[in-house]
Amino acid sequence: GEQVEQRPPHLSVREGDSAFITCTYTDPNSYYFFWYKQEPGASLQLLMKVFSSTEINEGQGFTVLLNKKDKRLSLNLTAAHPGDSAAYFCAVSRHNNAGAKLTFGGGTRLTVRP
Amino acid sequence: GALVYQYPRRTICKSGTSMRMECQAVGFQATSVAWYRQSPQKTFELIALSTVNSAIKYEQNFTQEKFPISHPNLSFSSMTVLNAYLEDRGLYLCGARDRATSAETLYFGSGTRLTVL
Repeated sequence: GEQVEQRPPHLSVREGDSAFITCTYTDPNSYYFFWYKQEPGASLQLLMKVFSSTEINEGQGFTVLLNKKDKRLSLNLTAAHPGDSAAYFCAVSRHNNAGAKLTFGGGTRLTVRP
Repeated sequence: GALVYQYPRRTICKSGTSMRMECQAVGFQATSVAWYRQSPQKTFELIALSTVNSAIKYEQNFTQEKFPISHPNLSFSSMTVLNAYLEDRGLYLCGARDRATSAETLYFGSGTRLTVL
């Protein structure tokens, strides 16, 4: 089945710097890609969903890149601030039907220092 | 947007006892509900996926005998952790899909944090 590897597991950056997180997946038929944010003690908040056809996706304060050739999904937080400190998880799905399985990466615990 | 209520938020149970958690989709019809567990310092493991008009599908290492799930209608699902032990502690999340808007996206509840004494 699908395997998703996420790096790095821990990341510490200064306020204003960029934070870069990468996931690699194994199933070449994966089509839907997600980034979730989990603040301490909280549930998952959907940051962005990406379709297979879109390589560059801009969000508020971040960019998501999809490289299907290398089976790599990346999240780049530009100008990080302390409020971005949280755990980030990528997730991958093959289908869009009700029975589709969402596979998560191992997570990245990001700390943004003032 | 789609809202998913999950309760209780936190629960503590004695080793060997059972606890039940519930998940409610608000404002949409949840054609499928997925239950995940996040053990301490780990990622989210899929326990089972419940799809309307289909049998509940459990992942390897998780069984119906241990984690029975009920999905009686398009807005409600519940899961019980039977005979909970220390290795069952963690954050349990339910995620629901709204087929009417975005079938590929799972919207998650706030989670149930289980502590086992």
